[in-house]
Amino acid sequence: SQKIEQNSEALNIQEGKTATLTCNYTNYSPAYLQWYRQDPGRGPVFLLLIRENEKEKRKERLKVTFDTTLKQSLFHITASQPADSATYLCASQSGNTPLVFGKGTRLSVIA
Amino acid sequence: DTAVSQTPKYLVTQMGNDKSIKCEQNLGHDTMYWYKQDSKKFLKIMFSYNNKELIINETVPNRFSPKSPDKAHLNLHINSLELGDSAVYFCASSQVGTGDEKLFFGSGTQLSVL
Repeated sequence: SQKIEQNSEALNIQEGKTATLTCNYTNYSPAYLQWYRQDPGRGPVFLLLIRENEKEKRKERLKVTFDTTLKQSLFHITASQPADSATYLCASQSGNTPLVFGKGTRLSVIA
Repeated sequence: DTAVSQTPKYLVTQMGNDKSIKCEQNLGHDTMYWYKQDSKKFLKIMFSYNNKELIINETVPNRFSPKSPDKAHLNLHINSLELGDSAVYFCASSQVGTGDEKLFFGSGTQLSVL
């Protein structure tokens, strides 16, 4: 069955540095990957989508890459700020199945 | 205006009771979902409805019954609540066929079964 994994449960970085989060998938080839942000007590909020034929996607300080050879997506936040502290979820789907989420990485940006 | 709204925000109840969670979306989307987020924060699909019809029903006990009176509403009714049902339940919606199917989530209902 399709699996999507975020191996780092938590990541602590200093303000101003670049945060890099990893998402790996196995047993399928998703047409796209999505990244969401979830704050405590709130629902996930969509951030970015990257398709299998795209290498990289950017939005302001966010950058997502998609490597179909490594079966991996990387999510970068440059010039990180304490306000970026949240849990980040990657998600994808195969065929007509609903979106499947990874377990998330809790990012803490320390001032 | 909240795009996806669900009520109540918190629900505390005794084992064995029956409870409902309501969800409404004003985005004009044709597909709605229920996800369950457990204590380890793992978000798992429960049901998916497209235009009021059940599309996906993952391995969920039949004590859980979704109801969609129209495509803007998807309610979740839970019978004979058990301790293991304690979790946060999220409603979401999307427009299938747009090419990205990004989900819009409600703010969640934290269910505590005592």
